[in-house]
Amino acid sequence: QKEVEQDPGPLSVPEGAIVSLNCTYSNSAFQYFMWYRQYSRKGPELLMYTYSSGNKEDGRFTAQVDKSSKYISLFIRDSQPSDSATYLCAMKTGANNLFFGTGTRLTVIP
Amino acid sequence: GAVVSQHPSRVICKSGTSVKIECRSLDFQATTMFWYRQFPKKSLMLMATSNEGSKATYEQGVEKDKFLINHASLTLSTLTVTSAHPEDSSFYICSAALTVQETQYFGPGTRLLVL
Repeated sequence: QKEVEQDPGPLSVPEGAIVSLNCTYSNSAFQYFMWYRQYSRKGPELLMYTYSSGNKEDGRFTAQVDKSSKYISLFIRDSQPSDSATYLCAMKTGANNLFFGTGTRLTVIP
Repeated sequence: GAVVSQHPSRVICKSGTSVKIECRSLDFQATTMFWYRQFPKKSLMLMATSNEGSKATYEQGVEKDKFLINHASLTLSTLTVTSAHPEDSSFYICSAALTVQETQYFGPGTRLLVL
């Protein structure tokens, strides 16, 4: 079983839709949870950083962590064509390396 | 957020040659830098972790004699792919962090094509 599971998609939505991206994980020691956005042929860009369980909101983006279910989500409201990218979840324990999901490829259709 | 650069962004080389990729943290001092490899439509695979002034720690299955990593200063780490072969063709991405526990900021990646 992989440490982090993420549906690779692809996911296509119309402009303005609410997008829900999810990851599950198996290691209960993960405490730090991140979402990265990666445009084609570019490096990942940090979108959201969350410690432990709870919600975090930043503009149109909301990250949720449910440690009891080992499940994290990223919601994108009022999606825009510029949101079209691959979204990677990542997580880690305190001092260790990042474990990435495979990424979900999102296309927002104008 | 912090800015990390990579150079070159793209390189094409002949089989058997060595290629050096630079990773720089432009606006902060990175005690720790990471090197990843990414295949098309796949996630990032950690190759090694380097701390300034010490030897890199390589992940299982990564040949340290093939992928030479040097982290000589707090703002620069280099990855040298020695005697490159076509199977080394990939997208190489570095990241930098203040410490190994802090957030990683990624560079834009280097696309390597070995002919």
